[in-house]
Amino acid sequence: AQKITQTQPGMFVQEKEAVTLDCTYDTSDQSYGLFWYKQPSSGEMIFLIYQGSYDEQNATEGRYSLNFQKARKSANLVISASQLGDSAMYFCAMRGLNDYKLSFGAGTTVTVRA
Amino acid sequence: EAGVVQSPRYKIIEKKQPVAFWCNPISGHNTLYWYRQNLGQGPELLIRYENEEAVDDSQLPKDRFSAERLKGVDSTLKIQPAELGDSAVYLCASSLKPGTGVWTQYFGPGTRLLVL
Repeated sequence: AQKITQTQPGMFVQEKEAVTLDCTYDTSDQSYGLFWYKQPSSGEMIFLIYQGSYDEQNATEGRYSLNFQKARKSANLVISASQLGDSAMYFCAMRGLNDYKLSFGAGTTVTVRA
Repeated sequence: EAGVVQSPRYKIIEKKQPVAFWCNPISGHNTLYWYRQNLGQGPELLIRYENEEAVDDSQLPKDRFSAERLKGVDSTLKIQPAELGDSAVYLCASSLKPGTGVWTQYFGPGTRLLVL
């Protein structure tokens, strides 16, 4: 069984500043993948970034980076230079490496202020 | 490349009425998923298809929910009869076959269902 915990229900960030969203996970799998999705008010779940458990480098995708600390079982998302369009709900998710089922956290709402 | 397409985007019905949601996955993705997302929560898997075969429907409430993917492409999720507790966002996702690279799941915009 896999469990994702996102402890921050909501966050405010000033435009152009960086924000870190926390995600911790629990799994008995040796190999797994971690994902972050963005869900704006329109409802679509937008894939942002992926980190494999055996990847030695932290994943980066443009302004998104994943701070992966395997021993602590954490996979925090860092959004740099926040933009107004970053205001959304952010979900952390994981699955076993050869498993299909994604387990999601409860999400964190980010509001970017001008 | 077109993403996952869903329709309708919004649906309001009275309880005990039937409702159906349609999904067209990304071209070439043979794995299709239906999720339900309750307010303030993450999505939860209802059913997964590999081509036209439902390979995991263990979380689908079979007394009122049904799904089909007749030709292994488009899929329809149906609720009959709808109950108040079915109000949620129904998300469709698709991916390459599990085990194929990263096989990220890509989601559609969802259908927001309100049952009155």
